[in-house]
Amino acid sequence: GESVGLHLPTLSVQEGDNSIINCAYSNSASDYFIWYKQESGKGPQFIIDIRSNMDKRQGQRVTVLLNKTVKHLSLQIAATQPGDSAVYFCAENGFGNEKLTFGTGTRL
Amino acid sequence: GAVVSQHPSRVICKSGTSVKIECRSLDFQATTMFWYRQFPKKSLMLMATSNEGSKATYEQGVEKDKFLINHASLTLSTLTVTSAHPEDSSFYICSAIYRDEQYFGPGTRLTVT
Repeated sequence: GESVGLHLPTLSVQEGDNSIINCAYSNSASDYFIWYKQESGKGPQFIIDIRSNMDKRQGQRVTVLLNKTVKHLSLQIAATQPGDSAVYFCAENGFGNEKLTFGTGTRL
Repeated sequence: GAVVSQHPSRVICKSGTSVKIECRSLDFQATTMFWYRQFPKKSLMLMATSNEGSKATYEQGVEKDKFLINHASLTLSTLTVTSAHPEDSSFYICSAIYRDEQYFGPGTRLTVT
């Protein structure tokens, strides 16, 4: 079946450095992608999203890049802080489909 | 806005008993809610889609008679784990749709002894 997965399960960075978390997806029909942050014992928290008609979107300290050619999604966190420590999930769904498919997760 | 709550946050029950978990949208109405299950260090797995006023839609492999879902109002969906067993111990998370986006609850930690 279709799946969304991550390349790295764990990422360690120094405070102040930039973090890059990657995600690969297999459903070429996916048109909406979201990054979530999940702290221990809590529900996922929305970070940033991007639609398939874009290849880059920026938020506060975060940037999402979408490469539809290779079906790859990344989350960049600038000036990483201790409060950024969490598990990050990418998720996707297709047009007209409210159901989300979550990736494996990366612990930062 | 768009706050989703869950109750209880933690529950311990004995094997064979049933436990109910509530999911509420506090400041909006949600015709659609979702229930997820998450094992330690794993991703969220969608269990079912809860639809207000109609039967829930379960994902493949999820037992509808074991995980009863009731979406009786536009702000409340409940998940009842019936005849719970230790393997049902998990983190259960709900979400609700608001303006085409999903907002997640804080999760409920279920431990079956």
